[in-house]
Amino acid sequence: ELKVEQNPLFLSMQEGKNYTIYCNYSTTSDRLYWYRQDPGKSLESLFVLLSNGAVKQEGRLMASLDTKARLSTLHITAAVHDLSATYFCAVDRVKYGNKLVFGAGTILRVKS
Amino acid sequence: DVKVTQSSRYLVKRTGEKVFLECVQDMDHENMFWYRQDPGLGLRLIYFSYDVKMKEKGDIPEGYSVSREKKERFSLILESASTNQTSMYLCASSYWTGAYEQYFGPGTRLTVT
Repeated sequence: ELKVEQNPLFLSMQEGKNYTIYCNYSTTSDRLYWYRQDPGKSLESLFVLLSNGAVKQEGRLMASLDTKARLSTLHITAAVHDLSATYFCAVDRVKYGNKLVFGAGTILRVKS
Repeated sequence: DVKVTQSSRYLVKRTGEKVFLECVQDMDHENMFWYRQDPGLGLRLIYFSYDVKMKEKGDIPEGYSVSREKKERFSLILESASTNQTSMYLCASSYWTGAYEQYFGPGTRLTVT
């Protein structure tokens, strides 16, 4: 059974600081997704990582994928309050096609 | 832009009622999903459909059924609502673009009393 673990589950950080959210998964998969959810809102796609070594950046967020280590990271650079949200990673159940398994989510609070 | 809509944002139902949640997508996606989201548990897949009239059980199908009579519409049915089905329900759709990126609706917060 594919399991996806995120840590930390809660992150409180000061504006201007850097931090990394980790996403580990238990079986082979070549595709990993990062989503953002604002309070009371739905999930919004941030990144789709399609292969080992993939790196994508958008503003202060950078995501990377190491399929050999079964690890993805979401790095936050110089955090700002607007980044406060819950971040989810998800992995394809490759064997079963197009279903995703989600991590529990990381609640990020950026304090000014 | 892909648009996924859900019939209600908030819903309050009584125990034992039959509940229908509807989801519509406007991008001709073949895949549609129903999830429930509970604090600390992430998103859990209830049911999945990969074509009209085709469905598969997800991880937590007990107490739920689904219907997909048209490609754009995917309905989740709670046959007899119970208090442990109080949750946020999210619908999503996807199609192949080199990955199966899922697009989510706004969610329905269901309270069963």
